[in-house]
Amino acid sequence: SQTIHQWPATLVQPVGSPLSLECTVEGTSNPNLYWYRQAAGRGLQLLFYSVGIGQISSEVPQNLSASRPQDRQFILSSKKLLLSDSGFYLCAWRGDGGGNTFGSGTRLTVV
Amino acid sequence: GIQVEQSPPDLILQEGANSTLRCNFSDSVNNLQWFHQNPWGQLINLFYIPSGTKQNGRLSATTVATERYSLLYISSSQTTDSGVYFCAVDRAPGGYQKVTFGTGTKLQVIP
Repeated sequence: SQTIHQWPATLVQPVGSPLSLECTVEGTSNPNLYWYRQAAGRGLQLLFYSVGIGQISSEVPQNLSASRPQDRQFILSSKKLLLSDSGFYLCAWRGDGGGNTFGSGTRLTVV
Repeated sequence: GIQVEQSPPDLILQEGANSTLRCNFSDSVNNLQWFHQNPWGQLINLFYIPSGTKQNGRLSATTVATERYSLLYISSSQTTDSGVYFCAVDRAPGGYQKVTFGTGTKLQVIP
């Protein structure tokens, strides 16, 4: 069966520090992968999606970037965090047909 | 882009009561999903329902794609049903699989 792993679960980082969040999927190949951010407990905002290795599409301009170095690995990064980057970050995957499966999320607090 | 509106935004139910949550979307879609986000932030896919009706235990969902809405029914509600319910739509296949989420319905079931 397919599983999705996301870590860390919580993270507190100072303003200006770098960020790297990792998401991996098991049990499937060539999934579509997504990064979402949720602020204030409502409304998921799509940040990035990827349909294959090295293929990244950005939905909104921001202080973040994403990379997909391997088929089942999706990384969210920042060189210098801002206070406004705080939020709940969720990774998701989707195969052919069917719906999205989400990871357990990373709660990021920038201080 | 597609606009997704959910109603009501907030709902308080007595345990054992039934409820109907609604999702309206502004354009034709190929896929629609319902999610439940528990108090710990985990998003669980409830239904993948581009059209028709599906049932899973006390939950059922109906999507009328031609009229651009979907309904989620919760019967005999339990305290564990509390959380936020999201619907999400996209137009895959044929376009990139951008999944747009509604603003959610926050449900609180009280004993």
